[in-house]
Amino acid sequence: GESVGLHLPTLSVQEGDNSIINCAYSNSASDYFIWYKQESGKGPQFIIDIRSNMDKRQGQRVTVLLNKTVKHLSLQIAATQPGDSAVYFCAEDDNAGNMLTFGGGTRLMVKP
Amino acid sequence: KAGVTQTPRYLIKTRGQQVTLSCSPISGHRSVSWYQQTPGQGLQFLFEYFSETQRNKGNFPGRFSGRQFSNSRSEMNVSTLELGDSALYLCASSLAGGSSYNEQFFGPGTRLTVL
Repeated sequence: GESVGLHLPTLSVQEGDNSIINCAYSNSASDYFIWYKQESGKGPQFIIDIRSNMDKRQGQRVTVLLNKTVKHLSLQIAATQPGDSAVYFCAEDDNAGNMLTFGGGTRLMVKP
Repeated sequence: KAGVTQTPRYLIKTRGQQVTLSCSPISGHRSVSWYQQTPGQGLQFLFEYFSETQRNKGNFPGRFSGRQFSNSRSEMNVSTLELGDSALYLCASSLAGGSSYNEQFFGPGTRLTVL
């Protein structure tokens, strides 16, 4: 598949463990923050989003935490599975109209 | 319902040539955004079209252009290709335009290789 990033930071976890992927953002005016998952050969797939007036949002096996004070976003994946292996990107939307600013990405590797 | 489709999936061109990539959004979606993804620069916004009008443009040279048709399908064109244009070009569609957030759905991308 396509090479998403040759020198991405990598997080390696054991199957069944929890994963935490971090992201720093830069624009204080951003209103929405989104996490995407990209598997080899595919486009980014939406995981979860959070609005700037929230600090936590939960989905199925995933939780996003937002700390606006330090401009930090994290994605927590519970009971990580081999199918979670992918590159994860955070993105921010500043209400300028469907133009996302992406972080550099983190490669998650799940060991069976 | 069918997702975002992009054609072709793979393309090889030589320096100086031009290329046109196509994107068909999800049925009913009227906004199409284009992104370039490279190992060095990551995912970068190129431009966004809504109702056949370019509403936003990223920081790319004028060699990169696009358009949107009345059925919301979009094309992007790169003229006078350079080696550095080798990338995965991603298209994303969303339901509406405007300044408020809309979830974007990405296609599989077109892998362009410039030799």
